[in-house]
Amino acid sequence: QSALTQPRSVSGSPGQSVTISCTGTSSDVGGYNYVSWYQQQPGKAPKLMIYDVSKRPSGVPDRFSGSKSGNTASLTISGLQAEDEADYYCCSYAGSYTLVFGGGTKLTVL
Amino acid sequence: QVQLVESGGGVVQPGRSLRLSCAASGFTFSSYGMHWVRQAPGKGLEWVALIWYDGSNKYYADSVKGRFTISRDNSKNTLYLQMNSLRAEDTAVYYCVREFLGRVGAPNFDYWGQGTLVTVSS
Repeated sequence: QSALTQPRSVSGSPGQSVTISCTGTSSDVGGYNYVSWYQQQPGKAPKLMIYDVSKRPSGVPDRFSGSKSGNTASLTISGLQAEDEADYYCCSYAGSYTLVFGGGTKLTVL
Repeated sequence: QVQLVESGGGVVQPGRSLRLSCAASGFTFSSYGMHWVRQAPGKGLEWVALIWYDGSNKYYADSVKGRFTISRDNSKNTLYLQMNSLRAEDTAVYYCVREFLGRVGAPNFDYWGQGTLVTVSS
């Protein structure tokens, strides 16, 4: 159950696109289409942004999209807005009903 | 509206025990799998444990296996986490989390509590 690998930080200007990667192994990210992404604002509980690799819950803007290739999942935020500045975490099913999170990525909107 | 309210956190000495509770309301608690997720101060999220909707199956992160026990009382709409042999590295905010209906074990958490802080220190 090693944590998934995410970049510590990413940044972008308003209107631009940014992509956050989440790298695991064939035992987690690569083995199942069960990757989700969470946004966490300071002092708040996380919020689900993407589930099942690429599905968006109701109410999440379509600027947020997810994908996966091999052992790496990605979250792309297009048309970056100031309110997108937050920490982002990926989470993957890791078999035997266990889950593993990524270390988190701090998104800064310049 | 769905509400998850954790309680039971506090300061505890290493080696001691603590029990967290999570009171659920606004939904049919007995139909949902529930999880505990924790976050050490200034650190990332860590999945801790899962219990099936009926309490029949329980799963744990390696870091807490053998020390923590997840349980639920569906008649009281309450989730629990019994934490024994606590260590400094267990210091964290503990979140009670609901997963999607019918998707046991998938990392799809649609509601989170506000969290309760557990501090393990002598």
